[in-house]
Amino acid sequence: DADVTQTPRNRITKTGKRIMLECSQTKGHDRMYWYRQDPGLGLRLIYYSFDVKDINKGEISDGYSVSRQAQAKFSLSLESAIPNQTALYFCATSATADYNEQFFGPGTRLTVL
Amino acid sequence: GQNIDQPTEMTATEGAIVQINCTYQTSGFNGLFWYQQHAGEAPTFLSYNVLDGLEEKGRFSSFLSRSKGYSYLLLKELQMKDSASYLCAVMDSNYQLIWGAGTKLIIKP
Repeated sequence: DADVTQTPRNRITKTGKRIMLECSQTKGHDRMYWYRQDPGLGLRLIYYSFDVKDINKGEISDGYSVSRQAQAKFSLSLESAIPNQTALYFCATSATADYNEQFFGPGTRLTVL
Repeated sequence: GQNIDQPTEMTATEGAIVQINCTYQTSGFNGLFWYQQHAGEAPTFLSYNVLDGLEEKGRFSSFLSRSKGYSYLLLKELQMKDSASYLCAVMDSNYQLIWGAGTKLIIKP
């Protein structure tokens, strides 16, 4: 079984719709991250969380919100989707502060029409 | 600002050796990672360097020079399955990962 899972794997939606992407992990890691990946731009950090009560904005948080429901679950919401949020979204986890090897989920491909 | 530079694309021949370079300018340095990412899939960990020098792991090796802000990933005995993007990422002074845009490696028979 995968250690980091994401649902849905693919989603097509329309401009203005609210979308939630979910991430679950069985690695027991406290730290969780949401990234988006666009061709030629690499991974960009949206939000990250170091524990259930700690949520931090990344470099591109505008238009997104998150919820850390439990140590194992971290959800990303697009309150009103727009076409330039079309991207591949990854959730990742890491165990410790000083060695930030990150373990990635399989990704969610989101298309906003 | 923080910046990581990698070539956008490289082409190599099956069985050969290829070196993928990464240069960085970041606010502090606490280590450098290389990840492999096949098209449409998740990045997976390849190597980690925090001290200067070469780390070897099978067909893959990674080198770091902190004074030059430079790293490379060396892939030997290339196989078709090595066709992928290779991502360089640096841990800055806050232990956050700063990602390069990745190098797409194309392997030809």
